[in-house]
Amino acid sequence: QQPVQSPQAVILREGEDAVINCSSSKALYSVHWYRQKHGEAPVFLMILLKGGEQKGHEKISASFNEKKQQSSLYLTASQLSYSGTYFCGTEINRNRDDKIIFGKGTRLHILP
Amino acid sequence: DVKVTQSSRYLVKRTGEKVFLECVQDMDHENMFWYRQDPGLGLRLIYFSYDVKMKEKGDIPEGYSVSREKKERFSLILESASTNQTSMYLCASSSRGGDGTQHFGDGTRLSIL
Repeated sequence: QQPVQSPQAVILREGEDAVINCSSSKALYSVHWYRQKHGEAPVFLMILLKGGEQKGHEKISASFNEKKQQSSLYLTASQLSYSGTYFCGTEINRNRDDKIIFGKGTRLHILP
Repeated sequence: DVKVTQSSRYLVKRTGEKVFLECVQDMDHENMFWYRQDPGLGLRLIYFSYDVKMKEKGDIPEGYSVSREKKERFSLILESASTNQTSMYLCASSSRGGDGTQHFGDGTRLSIL
C-alpha cells in the first residue's frame, strides 16, 4: 500500500519553513526520507525506526508517530539547495523479502 | 562511497525489441531493486532481489523480468518493449544488515518508439 504524501507541491521563499507529511494505512516498522534533485538520483536523508526518536541534521528533521502511522519532514529556514522532490518510503517489516514502498513525492521549489 | 552504476543514461528502442538494462553495485550489497519513475506516480517497484538468483515481484512486474547471476549485477529485461514502458528506470542497492538505506544509480531514461 503506497504511503500518501502531502502536499503534492510546495513553493516557498528562501528562509521560510516547510512541512511534508507521509501517511500509511498500515502499521510501520520504519519510515525513510529521500530527496531527488532534478536530473539526479534520489539521495537518502534519514530513517526513523519504530520506537525511535525524532531525528535531524542541520535544518532538516523528521518525526514518526507510530500510533497515527505517519511521519513528517521539517525543513527550517529553507535554502535554495533544498529544492527538489522529497519521497517518503515505508517498511512494514525488516524481513529478508520485505521492501520499501515509496510515496508519489512532494515537489519543493524554493524561490530566492 | 557506494557506487551504483547503470549502463546507459539514455536509451531509445523500438516496439517489440528485447531490452536489457544493466545495474552494477560495488559495495557487496545483498539487496538490489529496480524502480520506474513516472511524473506524478513516484517510485514504483518493479522487481527486487535479496540474493543471487533470488527475485521477488514488486508492485508492477508485468512486462518485465530480471536476472541476478552475480551478487553485484542486477539486470532488468523488457521481453517485448511497448510504448507504455517509456519511462525513467532507477536501480538501487542496500545492505541486508544495515538500516535499509537504498543507494540509487543515476537512472536510465528509456524511450520506446
